[in-house]
Amino acid sequence: EIVLTQSPGTLSLSPGERATLSCRASQSVSSSYLAWYQQKPGQAPRLLIYGASSRATGIPDRFSGSGSGTDFTLTISRLEPEDFAVYYCQQYGSSPPLTFGQGTRLEIK
Amino acid sequence: EVQLVESGGGLVQPGRSLRLSCAASGFTFDDYAMHWVRQAPGKGLEWVSGISWNSGSIGYADSVKGRFTISRDNAKNSLYLQMNSLRAEDTALYYCAKEYCSSTSCNALFDYWGQGTLVTVSS
Repeated sequence: EIVLTQSPGTLSLSPGERATLSCRASQSVSSSYLAWYQQKPGQAPRLLIYGASSRATGIPDRFSGSGSGTDFTLTISRLEPEDFAVYYCQQYGSSPPLTFGQGTRLEIK
Repeated sequence: EVQLVESGGGLVQPGRSLRLSCAASGFTFDDYAMHWVRQAPGKGLEWVSGISWNSGSIGYADSVKGRFTISRDNAKNSLYLQMNSLRAEDTALYYCAKEYCSSTSCNALFDYWGQGTLVTVSS
């Protein structure tokens, strides 16, 4: 099973700042099969990024993903008020099981 | 518009059973694999189970293997999760999720989710 570890657990930033979220895998994620989701309180997760760096339909270009192997990053270039949420990474290169990281909470400073 | 609507959750005693359903609309259901993902209160996401479009490939998390059974009825555009021998640690919001397909391939990530159905296991 591939274990995903996200850091930091909580990130406190202000609107307009740049956010960098990390996801580290316990073993290499094949074919960069890594996705990122955003979840707001009371809502289902929303797919942001797949294949480590491809934006899902309708996702603003301030969201970008990068990385390969065991180290992946989600970057939000300029934070908007609606971006404050919890972010999860997920690997889908090795299953079962599919696995998620424990999440990073992005909060307003 | 893609819609996934879960139902069947509720309060159940440890050791008892519950069957969740997910009604799908707005897409060709039998073209896609489907999954269940759960989220314990205040916690992160945990994949529970997935089933291929024709039920030929099925997978489970170790935490539910032997207790939960996933199934689908393509004629009814519906996904199911039969949960037996429920435990307190199964308490969670259960989401139904559709796999993502690009123009060239499908992979086990999720582009549409339902709003979830809450399962509470307690005496």
